[in-house]
Parts: sequence; C-alpha cells; structure tokens
Amino acid sequence: DAGITQSPRHKVTETGTPVTLRCHQTENHRYMYWYRQDPGHGLRLIHYSYGVKDTDKGEVSDGYSVSRSKTEDFLLTLESATSSQTSVYFCAISRLADNQETQYFGPGTRLLVL
Amino acid sequence: GENVEQHPSTLSVQEGDSAVIKCTYSDSASNYFPWYKQELGKRPQLIIDIRSNVGEKKDQRIAVTLNKTAKHFSLHITETQPEDSAVYFCAAWMDSSYKLIFGSGTRLLVRP
Repeated sequence: DAGITQSPRHKVTETGTPVTLRCHQTENHRYMYWYRQDPGHGLRLIHYSYGVKDTDKGEVSDGYSVSRSKTEDFLLTLESATSSQTSVYFCAISRLADNQETQYFGPGTRLLVL
Repeated sequence: GENVEQHPSTLSVQEGDSAVIKCTYSDSASNYFPWYKQELGKRPQLIIDIRSNVGEKKDQRIAVTLNKTAKHFSLHITETQPEDSAVYFCAAWMDSSYKLIFGSGTRLLVRP
C-alpha cells in the first residue's frame, strides 16, 4: 500500500474547532495529495505538495490549509470546521514507475463535524 | 478547464455478463489514464492503466481502450463476478500540473 498511513482514522468534532489530519509516507515520494470524497462528487483535490514547503491549491481548497515541513509528512488543517466538511479524506502519493507518475491512496480518515 | 466525464453512474449486470464504463476527457495534453476500484469502506485501488501511445491494454478479465482522437477511454470487464461489485473511477493525468482529474465514478453491481 505504498507505505502510506493516515491519522486519525476516525474523528468526531464540533463546528468551529480546528482539526488537523496527518498523512505519513515512508518511501520518500516527492508528490503528496489531499482529497475529499463525498457521495455524488467522487474524489476532489483539496491541496497538493510537490516538495518540502511547496504546496498548491486544488479545486476545493477553501477552508483548508496544508503544511509540509518534512518529506514524509503532509498535514491538512481545517481552521474552523464546518458541517460541510464532514467527509472521508484520502491522502495520496505519486510514485514514479516506468517513467510515469502513478497515484496510490492512503486508508482514509472519516471526519464527522457536528 | 480540465474535466473528466464518466458514464454510466450506476451499472447493474448479471454475473458472467460484460460491463463497460466510458470516460471522456477535455485536455488533449493528457497522456496517462488510470482506473481505480473502490470497495465499500476502502481506499481506491489502481487496477489498470493506459498511456497515450497505446490503444488497448488487457489484464486477465479487465481491458482498457483509448481513443485519443475522440478523447475517450473505456474500461471493459468480462465474465463479471460478484466480487467485481464496487465503485470504479477513471482519471486523466495532467503532466503540466502533476495532478489527476477524476471522473465522478460508476457504481457496478454484479447480480449473482
């Protein structure tokens, strides 16, 4: 599973509280991604990183921030959680194989914002 | 903008029949097209992929075809089995931005 772990795996929080999700990888991949998955919307990119301290926005970045201070860790922060951010969050890495970057996903984090 | 459309959204087939899922992409610069299978409560798993210099690729009961001129690609599953029941996502890779653009998914149900 490409050496990806996510923590926590499940979280319940209240509206207005900050939440940080962690993605950890052990294979030194340069590219890391955060997606959210909701019924009827498939996988939507929140933010991604192309190196330490290098990040960029995806299609649904409002209300989220990220940080990558080490190659192995990519953190997703909800500054002030809202009920609309209840979702399943997947981290992914991009692995180069046969001269092509291929994405592999972490196990996911289920977040419920009450 | 970058977009991948996927059809159908749901597909129900009898065990042993074939299933076909189709995707269309908008960016002609896309050159890599993976397919993911996601079982209930699990992560998406890569099952097959195809590059733009290839028209078709097979792996046992699964095949993917690509028509670059028409900008569409398809997943074919033959001799379907109940364990093929899952949500399938197509995607197109954007070399310029190192991002995958996903289709909205197809829920496949294989009836025993």
